Amino acid sequence: QQQVKQSPQSLIVQKGGISIINCAYENTAFDYFPWYQQFPGKGPALLIAIRPDVSEKKEGRFTISFNKSAKQFSLHIMDSQPGDSATYFCAASPTQGGSEKLVFGKGTKLTVNP
Amino acid sequence: DVKVTQSSRYLVKRTGEKVFLECVQDMDHENMFWYRQDPGLGLRLIYFSYDVKMKEKGDIPEGYSVSREKKERFSLILESASTNQTSMYLCASSYPLGVTGELFFGEGSRLTVL
Repeated sequence: QQQVKQSPQSLIVQKGGISIINCAYENTAFDYFPWYQQFPGKGPALLIAIRPDVSEKKEGRFTISFNKSAKQFSLHIMDSQPGDSATYFCAASPTQGGSEKLVFGKGTKLTVNP
Repeated sequence: DVKVTQSSRYLVKRTGEKVFLECVQDMDHENMFWYRQDPGLGLRLIYFSYDVKMKEKGDIPEGYSVSREKKERFSLILESASTNQTSMYLCASSYPLGVTGELFFGEGSRLTVL
C-alpha cells in the first residue's frame, strides 16, 4: 500500500530527445505527487509536482501526466539536454490526516548524451 | 534561500560506535525528516518529526533513534553502528505538505562503518 513503483531504473537519451519516466502507486489516500531531481553530490530538489485534480502540469520542458484511474503518473522531459543528466525520483504522499510522509520511488538515472 | 545543513559530509566509524548525525534548518519548518539513500533502493524514510519533541517512525527505523529538542535541529542517532548502516543519509525539512508541498534536502552525510 505504501509503495511507489518507478521505471526504468536507468535511461539513456540523445540530446534533443524525449525522456519518459513512469511511476505507479496503490494507496488511494495519496493526493500529492512530486518529482525530485538529484545531481551527483547534492541532495534531491523539487522539480515539479501535481495534485490529482488535474491530469497534466507543465513547467518549461518538464511535464507531469497523471492518470488517477490507473494510479499512474509520469515525467516527460522534452528536448532533453546533457544538463538534465541526473537521478529522478517520483514520490507520493497523503496531505491530510496528519501523516505527511513522502514515499519515494527507487529512482531513475537519466543520462543525456550530447 | 532555504538552507538545510548537515554538519558532517563524510564520516568513518567502527562497528559498535555511537554515531550522531546533525541537521539544522533555517526556515522555521515544522517538519523534519531523515532518509537513507542506497543504490537501487531509492530514498527510504527512517524517522519523521512534525514538532519539537515529536517523532514518528518511518519505514526503516530499526537501529536508529532521533532527537528534536529545538525546532531547527533534528539529530539521527545510531546507538551501535553496524556495517549494514553504511549509507548516504539525507536530512530534509518542510512546512506541512498540504501547505507548500516542498521538501528541502541537505547535501547528505556519507557514513562508512568498518
